[in-house]
Amino acid sequence: DTGVSQDPRHKITKRGQNVTFRCDPISEHNRLYWYRQTLGQGPEFLTYFQNEAQLEKSRLLSDRFSAERPKGSFSTLEIQRTEQGDSAMYLCVVPQFTTNVLTFGAGSRLTVL
Amino acid sequence: SQQGEEDPQALSIQEGENATMNCSYKTSINNLQWYRQNSGRGLVHLILIRSNEREKHSGRLRVTLDTSKKSSSLLITASRAADTASYFCAADNTDKLIFGTGTRLQVFP
Repeated sequence: DTGVSQDPRHKITKRGQNVTFRCDPISEHNRLYWYRQTLGQGPEFLTYFQNEAQLEKSRLLSDRFSAERPKGSFSTLEIQRTEQGDSAMYLCVVPQFTTNVLTFGAGSRLTVL
Repeated sequence: SQQGEEDPQALSIQEGENATMNCSYKTSINNLQWYRQNSGRGLVHLILIRSNEREKHSGRLRVTLDTSKKSSSLLITASRAADTASYFCAADNTDKLIFGTGTRLQVFP
């Protein structure tokens, strides 16, 4: 149990299709982060929320990507018109309250054919 | 890229030997963290060192931090086969963590 539930765990899609990932933290967290990790690389920051407000977006997050956290609890990450370069593990992450030590979800692996 | 760099990219040692990994980062930091990732698994937090600390120990782990050089090192003493994993440093600039590219450690029994 990582404290963060992500769904789906694995998504295989054809290029050009849209995909949506959902993240559900088990407990309340003011902040929620999305990272992306490709094979052999460290996690790359995508975006983060303070409650329902999206405070920062990485340059990696093109206009095909959109993230929401409508009630300040769960979050969704949508990728429109997927490209093969979008293939990666998408990680939802929440910090501990008093430090920025991160708890990672198991991730949602995207494979774009 | 904002990502930090780690050195070496890969490290192979025998059980019982020490393993040292180095990390350089680019931002000013609140703290520097190290994470471990077993193959096919999620990242797990190992140790955190604050920007006003120079050295920290936790079990067989020893972390150093040099903020003037924007660098950190992780030493694993008396390594075990179970230490085989990828290790990532992460610079915390208060808003977010910026991860390094990682060191893949292989410990042979």
